[in-house]
Amino acid sequence: KQEVTQIPAALSVPEGENLVLNCSFTDSAIYNLQWFRQDPGKGLTSLLLIQSSQREQTSGRLNASLDKSSGRSTLYIAASQPGDSATYLCAVSPPSKSTFGDGTTLTVKP
Amino acid sequence: NAGVTQTPKFQVLKTGQSMTLQCAQDMNHNSMYWYRQDPGMGLRLIYYSASEGTTDKGEVPNGYNVSRLNKREFSLRLESAAPSQTSVYFCASNPMGDAYLSNYGYTFGSGTRLTVV
Repeated sequence: KQEVTQIPAALSVPEGENLVLNCSFTDSAIYNLQWFRQDPGKGLTSLLLIQSSQREQTSGRLNASLDKSSGRSTLYIAASQPGDSATYLCAVSPPSKSTFGDGTTLTVKP
Repeated sequence: NAGVTQTPKFQVLKTGQSMTLQCAQDMNHNSMYWYRQDPGMGLRLIYYSASEGTTDKGEVPNGYNVSRLNKREFSLRLESAAPSQTSVYFCASNPMGDAYLSNYGYTFGSGTRLTVV
């Protein structure tokens, strides 16, 4: 059974800092990995999706990497802003359905 | 805007009442999912439908039923609501099932906040 772990559960940083969020998974036979953002009381918004054949994806200040052999993905956020405060979740997909991590709650202090 | 639409957004039920949560997507996705999200428990899959005409149990199916009415719509029914079903329910869709479209991942609805008293 696939297990997905996100550490730390919570992170607080000052504005402007670069930061890395981690996602680990136990079964490397994944189809793709997706990073989401969830604001309090809201649904999940997709940020980046990395196919199993890819090493990284970039969107603006976000960069996600994938290392299947080690079962790890990282989400790098450059020059963090208070508006980046949210919970970030990763999900890994076999061909049928995904397994979600519990998320990392990020707080960026002005 | 294209996406996943859930109704209602909020609902309060009394124990033993029944209700159906509605979900519709207009992205021509093959697969649809119902998740519940509880504090400290993360997202847990209730049921999913890999394609029109099929449904399968997820991690926590007890107390729920689903119907894949057509390719667009996937409903979740609580036959006799219990306080343990107080949660936030999310519907999601995914083109997975069609390898060509599998680059696009999941799209989530905005959720239904259900309280059972």
